[in-house]
Amino acid sequence: AQSVSQHNHHVILSEAASLELGCNYSYGGTVNLFWYVQYPGQHLQLLLKYFSGDPLVKGIKGFEAEFIKSKFSFNLRKPSVQWSDTAEYFCAVIPYGNAGNMLTFGGGTRLMVKP
Amino acid sequence: DTEVTQTPKHLVMGMTNKKSLKCEQHMGHRAMYWYKQKAKKPPELMFVYSYEKLSINESVPSRFSPECPNSSLLNLHLHALQPEDSALYLCASSQRWGKDNNEQFFGPGTRLTVL
Repeated sequence: AQSVSQHNHHVILSEAASLELGCNYSYGGTVNLFWYVQYPGQHLQLLLKYFSGDPLVKGIKGFEAEFIKSKFSFNLRKPSVQWSDTAEYFCAVIPYGNAGNMLTFGGGTRLMVKP
Repeated sequence: DTEVTQTPKHLVMGMTNKKSLKCEQHMGHRAMYWYKQKAKKPPELMFVYSYEKLSINESVPSRFSPECPNSSLLNLHLHALQPEDSALYLCASSQRWGKDNNEQFFGPGTRLTVL
């Protein structure tokens, strides 16, 4: 079975610092890739997604992610974080041809941005 | 309308109660999902419905009973729950079951507390 690893469980940054959250998956074939964000007390929101094409994907709120197939990675980046980016971030994968669109989530990374 | 709605937002119930969670979407999606999310953990898939038929049951205890009365509605009937069932219950939908390049749209969740 496929798995998704998010290496950083907790990240603390000051405002204006740059952010990179790691995500690696274990599936060897073609995948659909997602980053979701969950603000405190709120629901899951899609930040960005990769299906095919340009491996550098731009999402909402200034986030971007780069798909590196050779490294099985889909890292999330933001050049300058804000206090409002404090949230839990989940990477998720659906392997191509996976019946039911079974999302496999990583364990999540809790980001705290200090003002 | 790109929204998945869930009611109620909060629910407190005793172990002998019977209650139901409701989920609704009007995006014409034919796949709907129930997830359970414990604090500080990623969502875990419980059930998948495709064209109003139960397609996947991830070995969920029978005290959780899903129902899909029509293509827009998804219910989760609860009976004789345990305190460890307290969690955020998320509903999601996607265009089709088993299709690639498909994203899931999540509702805000119902926060359930079992006393």
